[in-house]
Amino acid sequence: ETGVTQSPTHLIKTRGQQVTLRCSSQSGHNTVSWYQQALGQGPQFIFQYYREEENGRGNFPPRFSGLQFPNYSSELNVNALELDDSALYLCASSLGRGAYEQYFGPGTRLTVT
Amino acid sequence: GQQVMQIPQYQHVQEGEDFTTYCNSSTTLSNIQWYKQRPGGHPVFLIQLVKSGEVKKQKRLTFQFGEAKKNSSLHITATQTTDVGTYFCAGILAGGTSYGKLTFGQGTILTVHP
Repeated sequence: ETGVTQSPTHLIKTRGQQVTLRCSSQSGHNTVSWYQQALGQGPQFIFQYYREEENGRGNFPPRFSGLQFPNYSSELNVNALELDDSALYLCASSLGRGAYEQYFGPGTRLTVT
Repeated sequence: GQQVMQIPQYQHVQEGEDFTTYCNSSTTLSNIQWYKQRPGGHPVFLIQLVKSGEVKKQKRLTFQFGEAKKNSSLHITATQTTDVGTYFCAGILAGGTSYGKLTFGQGTILTVHP
């Protein structure tokens, strides 16, 4: 098992609401990436944070935003939730800026009704 | 935009048979990674390939990166029931400005019948 933890495990929200997902990176890792994985699909890159700065962003609207803290933990915030936002949200930590070996957390299952 | 395609989408094999999944990109990749995701689990890193034509082996698993760095394959010899899961390739666009962006294929779901 990796040392990456995510909370909460499951979440049910209503369309239009806002949600915050949390991730603690593996000890020694300074980079966190967030992915959205719809059922039966591969993970889709949302964005990456390196030393508290955004280091690349995928094709997601601005209502997807994030933060990285000095201890390298991270948050993913999604505003104005839509039904299509229902997915598994994966956090992955790595060492160094870029896309090195990713250590994934168990994910947060978000359901939007 | 960049696309990474994997085939086949599903593969059912008898235990002991071989298995191969193929990954193709529309653009040149700077590197390619392979991950395995067990049912209900999260992706687990298997390997990274960087050089053109590179071949790496991990016990029964053989990974290849194409000469043009646009395709890759994963071959499993003599599958076991523990090999069950979804295998993803994921690549980085060469020369891209967002080099932290890892693009995943849609995965190949492997089932192994004992």
